Amino acid sequence: NAGVTQTPKFQVLKTGQSMTLQCAQDMNHEYMSWYRQDPGMGLRLIHYSVGAGITDQGEVPNGYNVSRSTTEDFPLRLLSAAPSQTSVYFCASSYSRGGTSPLHFGNGTRLTVT
Amino acid sequence: ILNVEQSPQSLHVQEGDSTNFTCSFPSSNFYALHWYRWETAKSPEALFVMTLNGDEKKKGRISATLNTKEGYSYLYIKGSQPEDSATYLCAQPRAGNMLTFGGGTRLMVKP
Repeated sequence: NAGVTQTPKFQVLKTGQSMTLQCAQDMNHEYMSWYRQDPGMGLRLIHYSVGAGITDQGEVPNGYNVSRSTTEDFPLRLLSAAPSQTSVYFCASSYSRGGTSPLHFGNGTRLTVT
Repeated sequence: ILNVEQSPQSLHVQEGDSTNFTCSFPSSNFYALHWYRWETAKSPEALFVMTLNGDEKKKGRISATLNTKEGYSYLYIKGSQPEDSATYLCAQPRAGNMLTFGGGTRLMVKP
């Protein structure tokens, strides 16, 4: 079982570059989300989606775009990377919306912006 | 309480000790309360999702209780082992779908 797959595992960007972090799940989960993890800040929600074609902002959405064209995929786009976006990014999915199903996390992407 | 808060931030115990941590959350518009275990260099893994006031969940030596009226949940570990060393996170869905996390309790169990 693949579960939630994130790519790449590591990435180094220069300020101003753009990139897409990929996230795919094979569990037919309705809900998908992106978090960033910074020292002393815990996990903070960037964007989430409750189904194909539906996305919404989380706690820290600035500088990030998302789309959900299929149930399986939920890519996170950085349009113009900034050093403040250096972080570890986690994609997570759950069976249903509403927060009553547990999240399944991917293995994370460590991003460094220089 | 406006946000999900966890205490203590870190905890050192000896192997065999029993321990507990607290998660405090806004009690209004309660949907659910999640607990996760996060080992270093791995991804968080779900322990429990609790939805009812007075709910108690158990998984091996780990158990959790929930008080939605006063806005807190306790996580208990009985007879801590070195492999229990991890960060324990709680989270609460806000506005239905925004699952927001507390800062976590980092547990270190000394052999």
